Amino acid sequence: QSVLTQPPSASGTPGQRVTISCSGSNSNIGSHTVNWFQQLPGTAPKLLIYRNNQRPSGVPDRFSGSKSGTSASLAVSGLQSDDEADYYCATWDGSLNGHVFGTGTKVTVL
Amino acid sequence: EVQVLASGGGLVQPGGSLRLSCAASGFTFSSNDMSWVRQAPGKGLEWVSSITTSGDSTYYADSVKGRFTISRDNSKNTLFLQMNSLRAEDTAVYHCAKNWDAWGQGTTVTVSS
Repeated sequence: QSVLTQPPSASGTPGQRVTISCSGSNSNIGSHTVNWFQQLPGTAPKLLIYRNNQRPSGVPDRFSGSKSGTSASLAVSGLQSDDEADYYCATWDGSLNGHVFGTGTKVTVL
Repeated sequence: EVQVLASGGGLVQPGGSLRLSCAASGFTFSSNDMSWVRQAPGKGLEWVSSITTSGDSTYYADSVKGRFTISRDNSKNTLFLQMNSLRAEDTAVYHCAKNWDAWGQGTTVTVSS
């Protein structure tokens, strides 16, 4: 049972904008920065967003992250078929003294 | 090119032990925190353990605390995960990750009699 809650699924048509939420608490998101990972089918996870809203080199600016209080969000604009994947938020939890991952959201491009 | 390659997985009986390795290349291994993350079949990502650059500090998920031990050999650019008292619920693909920005494909651990 993860302490970070994400919607199990999200979907959109090509070109649309999809937003994924990640809800936590004061001991995790409320106190620490959030990373987002993309996991394409059958592959290892890939860092998509770090420190709430920073993109690693090579990640398109269609992906953006934000954080407010004890929640974080990942937005994917200009949705493409290649964006079909599972997306996970993650952060440090001071109460658990460890990292935590969100429950994961499967994005489907209709 | 940055690479982290996990190995050492396999089939083990409940109560058994296994040692995973993660070979790193293409970056300064000793300057990066390292972690293990696992994914059970059809499930999400679960953080297992992390270790700081020098190995002085280690962290574990409650689900593996007291059974798993993370370590590293900076002279050989290698990360380890010693897994003891294995349970069926430890069955998963185990990934190693460099500071969260580079992940290996993972090695499969199956705990079954």
